[in-house]
Amino acid sequence: QSALTQPASVSGSPGQSIAISCSGTSSDVGGYNYVSWYQQHPGKAPRLLIYDVTHRPSGVPDRFSGSKSGNTASLTISGLQAEDEADYYCSSFTSSHTYVFGIGTTVSVL
Amino acid sequence: EVQLVESGGGLAQPGGSLRLSCAASVSGFRGSWMHWVRQAPGKGLVWVSRITADGSGADYADSVKGRFTISRDNANNMLYLQMNSLTVEDTAVYYCVRVAQTWFDPWGQGTLVTVSS
Repeated sequence: QSALTQPASVSGSPGQSIAISCSGTSSDVGGYNYVSWYQQHPGKAPRLLIYDVTHRPSGVPDRFSGSKSGNTASLTISGLQAEDEADYYCSSFTSSHTYVFGIGTTVSVL
Repeated sequence: EVQLVESGGGLAQPGGSLRLSCAASVSGFRGSWMHWVRQAPGKGLVWVSRITADGSGADYADSVKGRFTISRDNANNMLYLQMNSLTVEDTAVYYCVRVAQTWFDPWGQGTLVTVSS
């Protein structure tokens, strides 16, 4: 199973909105509404941000939102803040009944 | 809420073995499918293995199939990963993670496995 495709890096100024894409195939992202997103700060474990494409767990700010179109999912961060500087990973359930992660995107706040 | 604490990482020689453990707090563990995810230094997350709630079924990434074995002890709220025939490519932080439905949450703090001669 190949890793999902994400941009290596995305940057933005405080207050701006940015979007991170996550591209897969009809066997993973496109075939199921089971895409999730994770935030990881250096030296820390990943933290769940979005599940089932659009759902936000309690405690996650509503600045984070998810969407999907075809084989590509997206994470949008609105009102970018300094603490949003981190690595972000998407994940999808697959037709093999396993999971695949994206290669990861580093978000920089300018 | 489920809390997960991994242990058992360390230095192993190529061709050697290590057994990772994950201790889970009592709430929710026994009814949950459990997974191992790893992250090589400076690299991304990679799914490794999963086991069903009752331990009757398991799946593995192709890169570890035939070398790693996942197991669990529901009586003691423990998850394990037996890693044999280790290679330098297995060097990573290994995370124990619950998938209650379709997402990974919570994550343990991870345990570092280093394979080197």
